[in-house]
Amino acid sequence: GDSVTQMEGPVTLSEEAFLTINCTYTATGYPSLFWYVQYPGEGLQLLLKATKADDKGSNKGFEATYRKETTSFHLEKGSVQVSDSAVYFCALSDSGGSNYKLTFGKGTLLTVNP
Amino acid sequence: NAGVTQTPKFQVLKTGQSMTLQCAQDMNHEYMSWYRQDPGMGLRLIHYSVGAGITDQGEVPNGYNVSRSTTEDFPLRLLSAAPSQTSVYFCASGRTSGVSYNEQFFGPGTRLTVL
Repeated sequence: GDSVTQMEGPVTLSEEAFLTINCTYTATGYPSLFWYVQYPGEGLQLLLKATKADDKGSNKGFEATYRKETTSFHLEKGSVQVSDSAVYFCALSDSGGSNYKLTFGKGTLLTVNP
Repeated sequence: NAGVTQTPKFQVLKTGQSMTLQCAQDMNHEYMSWYRQDPGMGLRLIHYSVGAGITDQGEVPNGYNVSRSTTEDFPLRLLSAAPSQTSVYFCASGRTSGVSYNEQFFGPGTRLTVL
């Protein structure tokens, strides 16, 4: 079945540091890939997405590139802010008949200190 | 547009009690789902629905019941609460037609404690 593996946290960074959160996946079909963010006490929000190989999703300074050859979708940001402190989830939806179902990684807690 | 709403925000139950978690969306989405979030486990799919009158089981359906009588509402019922059901529950909705990917919209969550 489908699965998503992302780096375990917690990750603690100083403001303006570079961020990478690794994500790799296993899927039977040709999945769409997502990063969701969960701020403290809130539900999940879609941060960015990519639907085919070599696509780069970007939003709020975050980027991730769909790498089919390495089955990866790593999240990066060049300069993090305190307001980026949150839990980040990598997820996929497969291209098969159930393409509306999402499979999530376990989440990575990011704390950014001033 | 309220998006996805969930009630209650917090709930404490005793073992064996039953209750219903409410979820509603006003975006006319065909797809709705329930997840539970536990520390170190990510989100796990409990039940989902692709339209009114159609429901199916997800990864962890035991102890939960759902029905979908309207497009807007998708309640989750705990039949006989157990401490293992202590969790944060999220409802989500999304489109299934006319899209090549699935962006799901999440509610704010219900934090449930079973004593």
